[in-house]
Amino acid sequence: EVQLVESGGGLVQPGGSLRLSCAASGFTFSSYRMNWVRQAPGKGLEWVSSIGGGTNVIYYADSVKGRFTITRDNAKNSLYLQMNSLRDEDTAVYYCARGFRVTDQAYYFDYWGQGTLVAVSS
Amino acid sequence: EIVLTQSPGTLSLSPGERATLSCRASQSVGSSYLAWYQQKPGQAPRLLIYAASSRATGIPDRFSGSGSGTDFSLSISRLEPEDFAVYYCQHYGNSPWTFGQGTKVEIK
Repeated sequence: EVQLVESGGGLVQPGGSLRLSCAASGFTFSSYRMNWVRQAPGKGLEWVSSIGGGTNVIYYADSVKGRFTITRDNAKNSLYLQMNSLRDEDTAVYYCARGFRVTDQAYYFDYWGQGTLVAVSS
Repeated sequence: EIVLTQSPGTLSLSPGERATLSCRASQSVGSSYLAWYQQKPGQAPRLLIYAASSRATGIPDRFSGSGSGTDFSLSISRLEPEDFAVYYCQHYGNSPWTFGQGTKVEIK
């Protein structure tokens, strides 16, 4: 059974940093592109970042580029999101989601974790 | 970046009725790289439909997707109590993988 479990969320002040983790199990982690998607309170879904199975191809949403860094450790079946220079508008539930490959560019998100809440407030 | 616009914002229906949700893209979605997700309160999104019309594993056949180019729709033939939720469309052909703003299907 595919499982994705996020952790690391919490309350942080504006300008602060936080590192999210996603522990994966039930599939060959290194074979899949992995993603972070967030959802602000009462709002819709926003894709944040994506990393290929071999870590060689990484994408970011413009809203987080230069502030967030996505990484993975295939030996530990884990995905990470280092978030720096956090802003009020980064407050959201952050989900990790597995990307199912259709082509080198096209991936839909077939499994999602339950999310971890990041609150940015002074 | 492809912008997806969903309509209506809220759909008020009774159990047993048919629901039709719309998703319009700002430019053509190549090869129908369009997915639909269901999200219930306090839960993660769940994949319903990919490639515009293919049901994901375990999804009941009362859910169906259609469309191509810039106009897509999700239909629920007979609403069950567990179908009342928020539905999102997503373009996944290339980065950035964008979502629509969602349609809430609520009990009338």
